[in-house]
Amino acid sequence: TQLLEQSPQFLSIQEGENLTVYCNSSSVFSSLQWYRQEPGEGPVLLVTVVTGGEVKKLKRLTFQFGDARKDSSLHITAAQPGDTGLYLCAIRSAGNQFYFGTGTSLTVIP
Amino acid sequence: DTGVSQDPRHKITKRGQNVTFRCDPISEHNRLYWYRQTLGQGPEFLTYFQNEAQLEKSRLLSDRFSAERPKGSFSTLEIQRTEQGDSAMYLCASSLGDGGRAGYTEAFFGQGTRLTVV
Repeated sequence: TQLLEQSPQFLSIQEGENLTVYCNSSSVFSSLQWYRQEPGEGPVLLVTVVTGGEVKKLKRLTFQFGDARKDSSLHITAAQPGDTGLYLCAIRSAGNQFYFGTGTSLTVIP
Repeated sequence: DTGVSQDPRHKITKRGQNVTFRCDPISEHNRLYWYRQTLGQGPEFLTYFQNEAQLEKSRLLSDRFSAERPKGSFSTLEIQRTEQGDSAMYLCASSLGDGGRAGYTEAFFGQGTRLTVV
């Protein structure tokens, strides 16, 4: 059983479209991170959300932490080919390791 | 300090050989993590250090794997008698243990070492 479930697993869209990816769990977290990973590279931290209901914006990316701090979403407006990559959510477990979701692989077609 | 660095970026080895990877964390970070990632999957935790102490090891870390952080700075991950199933991206990350002024902990990753066992 995965601690963090991400959906969809794969997403292929045309440039200019909007999309939302989700990160869900049955557990409550004190904070949650979103990363983007390009092929052959390490994950790059995009944002950390901390407060239930919090919304953070990073240019065309909007991140939301669920009110109960069990889930999060990432919305991308007007997707561009440069947004292509693997999107990962992560939390720090009680054991102090960072635990990652299953990932959403996004392809934006020009 | 430009971030976490890993060396080498790519390693091809024959089955049965030993390999060693190095990770240099962000200098002020006292925690260092090793992860393994296969294609299309999220990183899987292997082990982590706080300073020079190895505090946690995953069951994924068989007795062929060993990690060290002798002076609490850089770390090495060694795989002995490599198997084809060891082929993966090995990622290193570092963080501040207490989260610094932010109050929460963020992990910063290196570019990884891609291991191919033939």
